[in-house]
Amino acid sequence: EVQLLESGGGLVQPGGSLRLSCAVSGFTFSSQAMSWLRQAPGKGLEWVSSLVGSGGSTYYPDSVKGRFTISRDNSQNTLYLQMNSLRAEDTAVYYCASQRIETNWNYFDFWGQGTLVTVSS
Amino acid sequence: DIQMTQSPSSLSASVGDRVTITCRASQTISIFLNWYQQKPGKAPNLLIYAASSLQSGVPSRFSGSGSATDFTLTIDSLQPEDFATYYCQQSSSVPLTFGGGTKVEIK
Repeated sequence: EVQLLESGGGLVQPGGSLRLSCAVSGFTFSSQAMSWLRQAPGKGLEWVSSLVGSGGSTYYPDSVKGRFTISRDNSQNTLYLQMNSLRAEDTAVYYCASQRIETNWNYFDFWGQGTLVTVSS
Repeated sequence: DIQMTQSPSSLSASVGDRVTITCRASQTISIFLNWYQQKPGKAPNLLIYAASSLQSGVPSRFSGSGSATDFTLTIDSLQPEDFATYYCQQSSSVPLTFGGGTKVEIK
């Protein structure tokens, strides 16, 4: 059974930092593209970051580029999201998800339950 | 960035109805279009990938169609467990983007 379990969310002040973790089981983590997505309260879904390929290519939208860093520890089957210089607009539930990428498709197939990050003074 | 526009933003339907949700991309995305279902307090669940491929385990009453810029999600014979919010998502290019969602409510 595939399981993704996020942790590390909480309350942080504007300008602060937080590191999210996603523990994965049920598939070969080391060869799987992985992503983070988020959902602000009452809002829609937003893609935050992806880590793809054996070379570990990383991708970010402009809204988090330079502030967030995605990484992985294949020995621990764990995905991370280091978030720095946090802003109020980063307040959201953060999900990790596995990403299937082939020539003709690219989608998020398994998701964790999410962890809430609140940026507030 | 590719903008994804879903319509309607919400709809009311009855059990047994056929429901259609549309999604339009601001530029052509071939068939790099996915659909997700999300229930309150839960993570999204993949329904359809590559515009029309049904994800394993998803009931056959869900179907997707379209290519280029115009796509459709159809639910044949709406069931009580289908009342949820539905999102389309393009995976043609980064940044990966989602539609604003369609909330399907009970009439």
